[in-house]
Amino acid sequence: EAQVTQNPRYLITVTGKKLTVTCSQNMNHEYMSWYRQDPGLGLRQIYYSMNVEVTDKGDVPEGYKVSRKEKRNFPLILESPSPNQTSLYFCASSLGGPNQPQHFGDGTRLSIL
Amino acid sequence: GQNIDQPTEMTATEGAIVQINCTYQTSGFNGLFWYQQHAGEAPTFLSYNVLDGLEEKGRFSSFLSRSKGYSYLLLKELQMKDSASYLCAVPYNFNKFYFGSGTKLNVKP
Repeated sequence: EAQVTQNPRYLITVTGKKLTVTCSQNMNHEYMSWYRQDPGLGLRQIYYSMNVEVTDKGDVPEGYKVSRKEKRNFPLILESPSPNQTSLYFCASSLGGPNQPQHFGDGTRLSIL
Repeated sequence: GQNIDQPTEMTATEGAIVQINCTYQTSGFNGLFWYQQHAGEAPTFLSYNVLDGLEEKGRFSSFLSRSKGYSYLLLKELQMKDSASYLCAVPYNFNKFYFGSGTKLNVKP
């Protein structure tokens, strides 16, 4: 089954404790992206990747890191999480290009205390 | 960022027709997407428009006017399962995506 898999689905942690949210897709997609979704603000893009070893900043990259060492994986790293990063996070992938629909993972709900 | 506007919430009756509007900035336009997102779930793709006009897909249609920076999603024969948020999204500079804050549609019996 074609899918984007995120882990964990839920995480409660404390300020400053490094964490990684994994994202994996099995569709051989070139493009992958991370979003955060907050009430009233909609989905905002954090980082995206056009292909292996190619990443770039989205609209709200501060406090986040990503890597794309393999085509299928695109982890999101919070080196020193803060409470303002409490949010619902979605990973997405597509074939690439502005006209391709994105397939979203089920989301990761992060709470930073 | 880019300014994408949608109404926050709408209510409609089962069996009726509803139109959800979206306005966006026209510079660097590369097409417009509509996604559906049920509460607690991931967004799922509904439609993509890059040329002016109406694209029909079953009960859902999407319209685009590039000169006006305007799109709408038309849902016909509303069903209870259509209660969800509808997200308008626009790619800029080919790879960046901007989403509207979403329109929550409540369908009542």
